[in-house]
Amino acid sequence: QKEVEQNSGPLSVPEGAIASLNCTYSDRVSQSFFWYRQYSGKSPELIMSIYSNGDKEDGRFTAQLNKASQYVSLLIRDSQPSDSATYLCAVPGRRDSWGKFQFGAGTQVVVTP
Amino acid sequence: NAGVMQNPRHLVRRRGQEARLRCSPMKGHSHVYWYRQLPEEGLKFMVYLQKENIIDESGMPKERFSAEFPKEGPSILRIQQVVRGDSAAYFCASSPTSGSDEQFFGPGTRLTVL
Repeated sequence: QKEVEQNSGPLSVPEGAIASLNCTYSDRVSQSFFWYRQYSGKSPELIMSIYSNGDKEDGRFTAQLNKASQYVSLLIRDSQPSDSATYLCAVPGRRDSWGKFQFGAGTQVVVTP
Repeated sequence: NAGVMQNPRHLVRRRGQEARLRCSPMKGHSHVYWYRQLPEEGLKFMVYLQKENIIDESGMPKERFSAEFPKEGPSILRIQQVVRGDSAAYFCASSPTSGSDEQFFGPGTRLTVL
């Protein structure tokens, strides 16, 4: 079992619709979770971090965390063509290796006009 | 406020040569991380460093790869005797404090081994 799992996609979303991305993780003691956006040929860009159960909203992005289910999701509201990218879920390692982020394989999102 | 800086952005080496990749963290950040992204693959952790210390090198290949973060100057990822399989994008990230903080990525170095 991979430590961080995401659906690879591509996830095709009509412009203006909501994109829903999912991520599951295997380590129950994980405390912090991050979503990165990566455009093709570019570096990952941090878009959301979440530490507590529930929802966290930032502009058109909402991160949702459920530690009991070991599940974190990202919603993109009013999707725009500029949101077309690969979205990476990242989870730090255990206490003795916090700096070691484990990344999912990424979900490719394609927003169609 | 400059972000994470990496150079060179593109590096071409022939098999057997050495590659040196440099990373300057964001101002105020003392923790540096190196990741590798092979073509069509995910980001893989390589090494975590603080000034003059390697904290976690569990993702580094045992041979040919080394990293340092000296007291003065940028962090260096060094690959000796490069092979074609080393062709990848190498990203550096930095954070202000210990590992579970947000990590901010530099633009990356694209290494091509001929």
